[in-house]
Amino acid sequence: GAVVSQHPSWVICKSGTSVKIECRSLDFQATTMFWYRQFPKQSLMLMATSNEGSKATYEQGVEKDKFLINHASLTLSTLTVTSAHPEDSSFYICSASRLAGDLNTGELFFGEGSRLTVL
Amino acid sequence: AQSVTQLDSHVSVSEGTPVLLRCNYSSSYSPSLFWYVQHPNKGLQLLLKYTSAATLVKGINGFEAEFKKSETSFHLTKPSAHMSDAAEYFCVVSDQINGNQFYFGTGTSLTVIP
Repeated sequence: GAVVSQHPSWVICKSGTSVKIECRSLDFQATTMFWYRQFPKQSLMLMATSNEGSKATYEQGVEKDKFLINHASLTLSTLTVTSAHPEDSSFYICSASRLAGDLNTGELFFGEGSRLTVL
Repeated sequence: AQSVTQLDSHVSVSEGTPVLLRCNYSSSYSPSLFWYVQHPNKGLQLLLKYTSAATLVKGINGFEAEFKKSETSFHLTKPSAHMSDAAEYFCVVSDQINGNQFYFGTGTSLTVIP
């Protein structure tokens, strides 16, 4: 099956620093990757949609300068939380879809998530 | 417009008894529907999906769901709950016209009582 790997699984950082989270599709090419934020006991909140080689599309209310997304290859997308603050602490999850055909039938393949704690 | 409603935020069942997690959807087009499971501090794992084939869909770990267009429902069931089923469950809808959009329900937390 398709595997999506996220790294790091947990990161603690000081306020004001930047943190990069990687999302890799290990055995398939992901034309589209999605980044979500999840608060405790809540559903996933879509932050942005990332297509390989183009700028990410951010959801309303998500600061693009705060959450930098890069999708430079078909197997890697990165989310960088810049100048992190305690309110950015959350669980961040990525998902990927394969070729365009998969988008119309599902399915999304999810990473294991990355927990960010900002002190 | 597409949307998903999970009617129960929390369901509690005894081990060995049936599980029913309810999901209703709203879609302007032919929807694709999914159930995902999330264990604590983990990503989401696909349980099953409906994509306009058979209306009764069988998934992993003994789960199944039935697509009922007349009721706009896609409830998830399992005949006998296991302790390992305790997790958060998400119903997701996407439409085949605008396949780049996935809409998540708010989730149902399943507790299994020994």
